[in-house]
Amino acid sequence: EADIYQTPRYLVIGTGKKITLECSQTMGHDKMYWYQQDPGMELHLIHYSYGVNSTEKGDLSSESTVSRIRTEHFPLTLESARPSHTSQYLCASMRTGSWETQYFGPGTRLLVL
Amino acid sequence: AQKITQTQPGMFVQEKEAVTLDCTYDTSDPSYGLFWYKQPSSGEMIFLIYQGSYDQQNATEGRYSLNFQKARKSANLVISASQLGDSAMYFCAMRGLHAGGTSYGKLTFGQGTILTVHP
Repeated sequence: EADIYQTPRYLVIGTGKKITLECSQTMGHDKMYWYQQDPGMELHLIHYSYGVNSTEKGDLSSESTVSRIRTEHFPLTLESARPSHTSQYLCASMRTGSWETQYFGPGTRLLVL
Repeated sequence: AQKITQTQPGMFVQEKEAVTLDCTYDTSDPSYGLFWYKQPSSGEMIFLIYQGSYDQQNATEGRYSLNFQKARKSANLVISASQLGDSAMYFCAMRGLHAGGTSYGKLTFGQGTILTVHP
């Protein structure tokens, strides 16, 4: 059982607000990821980190930013939310190793009005 | 670059019967891993099964097995004895296994297949 947490689970917010989606894992995994998923669609990688102070943009361009100051914490921030940001955001983590899999948090469903 | 294709948008199966969910892939990585995840309506992603490209035998995990045909670049998921709780979206994914490769550690997902199990 993977221990990876995301808060909030659901968020409804107005346009222009700044939001931070939290993601924490207690497994000591060095690699962490953020995916964006529209309803019924595939997941797209928007950010990833291979360790503290290391962050990279993923395959899908995103206006969000991330930080990795501590191993266990990988928050995602939107400075000014827009309706186009409405989506589900999934956080995942993985231990280094060729056979390792990514474990996912429960996700945050964001609705921007 | 990597690509995963799931050609079945939706599948229906009777309870207690077996079902196969298709997945084909394309990659330039010499070694790679293939993964299947289940996503119930609640939204979380649940890891089901893993197959390494170098594995000689097909992976199995309980009622899940992976029919890996390397020459055909396919990695189909077989669920035996379907249960009502198996109704969910299923995603096939892959990543490179070579440290230092561009796809190392980064999963590429397919479009998903919605499985509905009928009583």
